[in-house]
Amino acid sequence: QKEVEQNSGPLSVPEGAIASLNCTYSDRGSQSFFWYRQYSGKSPELIMSIYSNGDKEDGRFTAQLNKASQYVSLLIRDSQPSDSATYLCAVKFGNQFYFGTGTSLTVIP
Amino acid sequence: GAVVSQHPSRVICKSGTSVKIECRSLDFQATTMFWYRQFPKKSLMLMATSNEGSKATYEQGVEKDKFLINHASLTLSTLTVTSAHPEDSSFYICSAKSGAPTDTQYFGPGTRLTVL
Repeated sequence: QKEVEQNSGPLSVPEGAIASLNCTYSDRGSQSFFWYRQYSGKSPELIMSIYSNGDKEDGRFTAQLNKASQYVSLLIRDSQPSDSATYLCAVKFGNQFYFGTGTSLTVIP
Repeated sequence: GAVVSQHPSRVICKSGTSVKIECRSLDFQATTMFWYRQFPKKSLMLMATSNEGSKATYEQGVEKDKFLINHASLTLSTLTVTSAHPEDSSFYICSAKSGAPTDTQYFGPGTRLTVL
């Protein structure tokens, strides 16, 4: 059974701070890693994908992947109240995608 | 790019009726589409994986005769909830997988089904 683990939170950060979201996965053969944002009552929206070890930056978002530790994280710099949402980590192995249960983030103005 | 649409966005129906939900990839071809359901404040639950031109693969516990999936083209998959009952009320979300090398899932906006 392939597992993707996330801290359910809730995680609260003040506006302007860095929010750090973490995800671990069980299968070393996993190939691709994704972060989605889901607002309440809406469907998930892709934020970042990362495929190789290291950091990948896109605007205020940085994804970090460490395959040796089976760990992928998402950093949100200069957090805004509009970043308040549930963040889903997804891991692809073969043709299957495995989702974590999500971390709820609240950015406090 | 990578836009997925779903129709209808919201549907209310009487118990015993069937409801069809369409999922379309608008600007890419998707050999694989996925159907999820999500209850309030709960995580996504994969119902089935739909491959173009072949039968869908259902997750354990999902009744294939109740949730009929058709993936007749590379841009369209449909989910039909047959003889819907109040316990089928949920948020149904489809996603479409782009091809290599990115192989990324893009989600539709979801369909909120309420069965009275």
